[in-house]
Amino acid sequence: DTEVTQTPKHLVMGMTNKKSLKCEQHMGHRAMYWYKQKAKKPPELMFVYSYEKLSINESVPSRFSPECPNSSLLNLHLHALQPEDSALYLCASSPDRYNEQFFGPGTRLTVL
Amino acid sequence: AQKVTQAQTEISVVEKEDVTLDCVYETRDTTYYLFWYKQPPSGELVFLIRRNSFDEQNEISGRYSWNFQKSTSSFNFTITASQVVDSAVYFCALSEDNTGGFKTIFGAGTRLFVKA
Repeated sequence: DTEVTQTPKHLVMGMTNKKSLKCEQHMGHRAMYWYKQKAKKPPELMFVYSYEKLSINESVPSRFSPECPNSSLLNLHLHALQPEDSALYLCASSPDRYNEQFFGPGTRLTVL
Repeated sequence: AQKVTQAQTEISVVEKEDVTLDCVYETRDTTYYLFWYKQPPSGELVFLIRRNSFDEQNEISGRYSWNFQKSTSSFNFTITASQVVDSAVYFCALSEDNTGGFKTIFGAGTRLFVKA
């Protein structure tokens, strides 16, 4: 299995909702990432989970919280989001932090 | 400070033309990693190449070639005999791990249009 899967593909949520994005890989990779990509902009790194340690981009608001239940799964919990959080959320994995990253197809999130 | 600059916002070429996408980076670290990714209209980012800071060897892979020059902090990407399927947004990216933690930063991207 050489792919990164993300569910759901699309998500529409209200500002008071709580939802989760799921990312899974079965390539034995030791690093997983969450990115946010707005239209016509580059991906922005939100979180990195590697060597069983979470690294957080300091600019990411606390309404986003990652969770890594095991080495193959990386969830992103969403709570009290704002309309400006609407974007494509990309998950990626790599053998370790310095290798090329393999990206999933993304979850397109719309916050109403 | 870490920075990646892709000065070309959009490039339009006719099929079979050669095209070079520029990437200039800034970093204070001596150990870092450079990447090129392709994002076709479907949206999924695809890895093209990785170079570490100690490996200045240029590389050719089919119609793709990369020129890494530390002296000018550049990592340029050339597509030879472009094809319509090459139409996509191309991102240059820089990864490094220092006292501030691990970071990957992408350039703004270059949108390439290849016309038949």
